[in-house]
Amino acid sequence: KNEVEQSPQNLTAQEGEFITINCSYSVGISALHWLQQHPGGGIVSLFMLSSGKKKHGRLIATINIQEKHSSLHITASHPRDSAVYICAVRRLQGAQKLVFGQGTRLTINP
Amino acid sequence: EPEVTQTPSHQVTQMGQEVILRCVPISNHLYFYWYRQILGQKVEFLVSFYNNEISEKSEIFDDQFSVERPDGSNFTLKIRSTKLEDSAMYFCASSRLTKPQHFGDGTRLSIL
Repeated sequence: KNEVEQSPQNLTAQEGEFITINCSYSVGISALHWLQQHPGGGIVSLFMLSSGKKKHGRLIATINIQEKHSSLHITASHPRDSAVYICAVRRLQGAQKLVFGQGTRLTINP
Repeated sequence: EPEVTQTPSHQVTQMGQEVILRCVPISNHLYFYWYRQILGQKVEFLVSFYNNEISEKSEIFDDQFSVERPDGSNFTLKIRSTKLEDSAMYFCASSRLTKPQHFGDGTRLSIL
């Protein structure tokens, strides 16, 4: 069983829609990351969370440690938001490495 | 803003040949990582490096793989005898303790 599960795997929406991508994990964590991977393959870090909520522009990330769940929201979505969004966790026990979810492919149509 | 840089962006190699993937981490970062992503699959951890030694490695990181920090700036991943299944995108990342990891743009490795 994957330690990090994302849903949905694919999401297509119209420009302007409110987008939610979900991430559930099964291990104790010290931090959760949301990452964006563009069609060319490069990975950009969006957020690192250990509790509560963070906001950057139109992006909002929340985490519920008790429920082992995080969400990434995009408000007023735009075609340039089209990318793969990846949830990754850093386990509580020692290691610095990230364990990745399988990603959510988001397509925003104009 | 400082970036992690990786070279080359694309490497094509014959099976059985050795390849070296190069990374220049962000200068004040102390933790270095290699990850790989086989086409269509999720990103997988290979190895982490701290204080001039491997701090953790995955089952994937077997004897054909090695990492090195040959000088104060470069961090390299060597694959000694490449196999077809080594074809993947390889990402280098660096971080400071408990801070977000910064990723390079990746090296696409194609084994023929």
